[in-house]
Parts: sequence; C-alpha cells; structure tokens
Amino acid sequence: DAGVIQSPRHEVTEMGQEVTLRCKPISGHNSLFWYRQTMMRGLELLIYFNNNVPIDDSGMPEDRFSAKMPNASFSTLKIQPSEPRDSAVYFCASSFGGALHFGNGTRLTVT
Amino acid sequence: SQQGEEDPQALSIQEGENATMNCSYKTSINNLQWYRQNSGRGLVHLILIRSNEREKHSGRLRVTLDTSKKSSSLLITASRAADTASYFCATVEGGSNYKLTFGKGTLLTVNP
Repeated sequence: DAGVIQSPRHEVTEMGQEVTLRCKPISGHNSLFWYRQTMMRGLELLIYFNNNVPIDDSGMPEDRFSAKMPNASFSTLKIQPSEPRDSAVYFCASSFGGALHFGNGTRLTVT
Repeated sequence: SQQGEEDPQALSIQEGENATMNCSYKTSINNLQWYRQNSGRGLVHLILIRSNEREKHSGRLRVTLDTSKKSSSLLITASRAADTASYFCATVEGGSNYKLTFGKGTLLTVNP
C-alpha cells in the first residue's frame, strides 16, 4: 500500500499563474478530500468527493478554485489565477469510511 | 468553523513522562478522532472513538470521551522523543457522515 500520493511536494509560482495539484488516493477508497492548512486557519476542508462525485464544495474559497475527480484513482485541485493569499499546504486524503489517510501535502508558495 | 479546540496549544515534557491533551467541541458528534502530524508530513490517524463509547486504548494511547461535557482527552503514556509532533482532534458532526472538522492542534515536544 503506497498510501495517498500527492504531487508536486513543493510549488513556487508567481501571482496570476495557474497551479494544478495532483492526488492519487489509496486503491479501493471511495471518498476523497482536499484540505488546506495554514497557521492562521488550521485545516480547512475544501471539497469532498464520494465515488468520484463532488458532494460538498462549500469550503472552496472562490471561483478561482476548482477540483475534479475523473476516475477513482486521480484527482486534481486547480487554482487559476493564483494569489499570494493562496500560499498554504494543500492535503489530499482518502478513506473508506472512518479514518482519513492523508498524503504528505503540496506546499504552495505564490509570490 | 472550528469544531474541536485542543488544549494546551503547546506541551513540553521529558521522555518517560505522560502527556495529556484535551479537546472540546460544540455540537453533537458521531465520532471523534485523534491524528498526529510530524513536521512537514501529512496527518496520521491514531484512534477513533464513537459517541457511545467512553474510553478506548491503543498501545500507549488512551482516549476518553465525555459527551455530556463535549470533551475528549488523549493520554500518551511513557512518552518517547519520537512522539514529538502536533496532535489534532477531529469531529464528525451529528448531521454528517463524512465532514471531519479539525482543531488547531497541540504541539507536543518530548525532550530526550
């Protein structure tokens, strides 16, 4: 079991650029979550997918953020255009009920 | 919005001592979970306690839940330097079967 795999581990980009974060959940898990972690706000749930369908995107900050899950083994979180306040660590997590299994995150820095 | 709030925010102890962290929450819950996060890594699930349970053990971990006080505690016995990490409680609110809301965590430092 390779765990939840996220890429890239670090991303540095300039304001206005498009950023795409990627996630491969654990095989067999039917739920996928995107979280954002900052010192100020802690961990915030951005969006939740169940069986590849977005169920709750109420945490997505604004229209600049979008997420897709085209199949059970892949999800993307896109920010377009990026802003300095989007700088954070973005985590993907998957589960099959109960406990969440987190990836090691993508540290995004927008300058 | 924050559901769980951990206390204390930071805790520093010597190896071999016990560490106790507390979590308070506001609304009814289905279950409460504790996670650990090492620096630069993702969160790792430690233990889940359901709303109808009062105590649960896993190795050196002991978790209690008091739904009347809306609080939980995590006890780590005989701490080790490797236990140094941030610890988070997370709750699944009563009306949801998926929405985990995390507190801001307790930073535990275990000094060798």
